[in-house]
Amino acid sequence: SQQGEEDPQALSIQEGENATMNCSYKTSINNLQWYRQNSGRGLVHLILIRSNEREKHSGRLRVTLDTSKKSSSLLITASRAADTASYFCATDRINQGAQKLVFGQGTRLTINP
Amino acid sequence: DGGITQSPKYLFRKEGQNVTLSCEQNLNHDAMYWYRQDPGQGLRLIYYSQIVNDFQKGDIAEGYSVSREKKESFPLTVTSAQKNPTAFYLCASSGGGYQPQHFGDGTRLSIL
Repeated sequence: SQQGEEDPQALSIQEGENATMNCSYKTSINNLQWYRQNSGRGLVHLILIRSNEREKHSGRLRVTLDTSKKSSSLLITASRAADTASYFCATDRINQGAQKLVFGQGTRLTINP
Repeated sequence: DGGITQSPKYLFRKEGQNVTLSCEQNLNHDAMYWYRQDPGQGLRLIYYSQIVNDFQKGDIAEGYSVSREKKESFPLTVTSAQKNPTAFYLCASSGGGYQPQHFGDGTRLSIL
C-alpha cells in the first residue's frame, strides 16, 4: 500500500535556485524520512523527522512536518547539479512493530546548469 | 568500509525458473528488508527480518521466498509463481528502533 503521495512528480530548476518537494500521508506515524536515489542506484538516507518535531535542518536541507495536515516538505537550498536525483518520503507507521516504511512515488528533480 | 552488497547487478530469468538474489551486510544490523521498485514508482516491501531465523511477509510477498540463517545474509528467491518479476530489487538493513535504513545498489531482474 502506498501511503505517501509526493508533489510534484517532476521538478526542473536552474542551478542555484531552491527546490521544494511535498509529501502527504494518510495514517499516524512515528517518524517521516526522506531519501535520495540517483539513477540506477540504491537509496541514501537524508533526514529523519520525528512526529513530535516540526522542523529539522541538515546542511542545505530543511524538512518540515505538519502532523495535523499529515504533510511534510523537503527544501533544498542553493541547488547544485549533483542534487539531480529522485527524492522519496517514507513514513514509519505507528503500531507496526518492526520499522515498516511506506514510500511515496517520489519526485524526480533535475538541476539545470 | 561497512555497507550492503547486492549481487548480481543484472539477472535474467527464464520461464519456470527460480532465481536467487544475494544480499550481504557488514553493518552488524539486526533488521533486513527486501523491496521491489517498478519504473517511476516508489518502493514496496516484499519481506523483512528482525532477527536471525525469523522473517515476516511484507505487502507483496506472493511469489517470493526468503531465508535468514545468518545475521549478515538475507537472500531473496523469486519463484516461478511470480508472474511479473521484472523490476529493480533493493535490499536494506537497519539497526532497529527508528534508525534509518541503509540500502544496497540493487539487482535489476529481467525476463528472457
